[in-house]
Amino acid sequence: SQTIHQWPATLVQPVGSPLSLECTVEGTSNPNLYWYRQAAGRGLQLLFYSVGIGQISSEVPQNLSASRPQDRQFILSSKKLLLSDSGFYLCAWRGIYGYTFGSGTRLTVV
Amino acid sequence: AQSVTQLDSHVSVSEGTPVLLRCNYSSSYSPSLFWYVQHPNKGLQLLLKYTSAATLVKGINGFEAEFKKSETSFHLTKPSAHMSDAAEYFCVLHNFNKFYFGSGTKLNVKP
Repeated sequence: SQTIHQWPATLVQPVGSPLSLECTVEGTSNPNLYWYRQAAGRGLQLLFYSVGIGQISSEVPQNLSASRPQDRQFILSSKKLLLSDSGFYLCAWRGIYGYTFGSGTRLTVV
Repeated sequence: AQSVTQLDSHVSVSEGTPVLLRCNYSSSYSPSLFWYVQHPNKGLQLLLKYTSAATLVKGINGFEAEFKKSETSFHLTKPSAHMSDAAEYFCVLHNFNKFYFGSGTKLNVKP
């Protein structure tokens, strides 16, 4: 069966520090992968999506970047975090039966 | 333009009474529509989806939704609320490899 792993679950980082959130998928190949953010009081916002290794599409300009070094690995990064980067980050993949989301990472930038 | 509007940010019902969570959408194309639920400290879970087949869609845990093109709505309903239904619910539109999320509705179920 297909599963999606996302870590860490919670993270507190100082302003200006780097960020790396990792997402991996098991049980499928060449998945479409997505990074979303839910800021406090707002809906989920699509940040990046990827249809294959090295292929990244960005939906909004921001302080974040994404990479897909392997077929089933999707990484969300930042060189220098801002206070406004705080939020709940979700990784997702699309399979033939619909979309599956990871358990999320709650990032607090202090 | 594509967008989703969830008309209520909070809904409170008593256990055993019906649930109605409202969602309106705007889409230039025939949309796929989803309802997801997020329980505290959990990932998003798919409740149901509409993909241009039957307009009345049945999902998990007794939830269903009706696609009404004339009203551009996709409201989520359940005949009888259970305490375990307390969570946040998201209406989602999907077109051409992109998601459009509503802002979410928090459902509170009172004993």
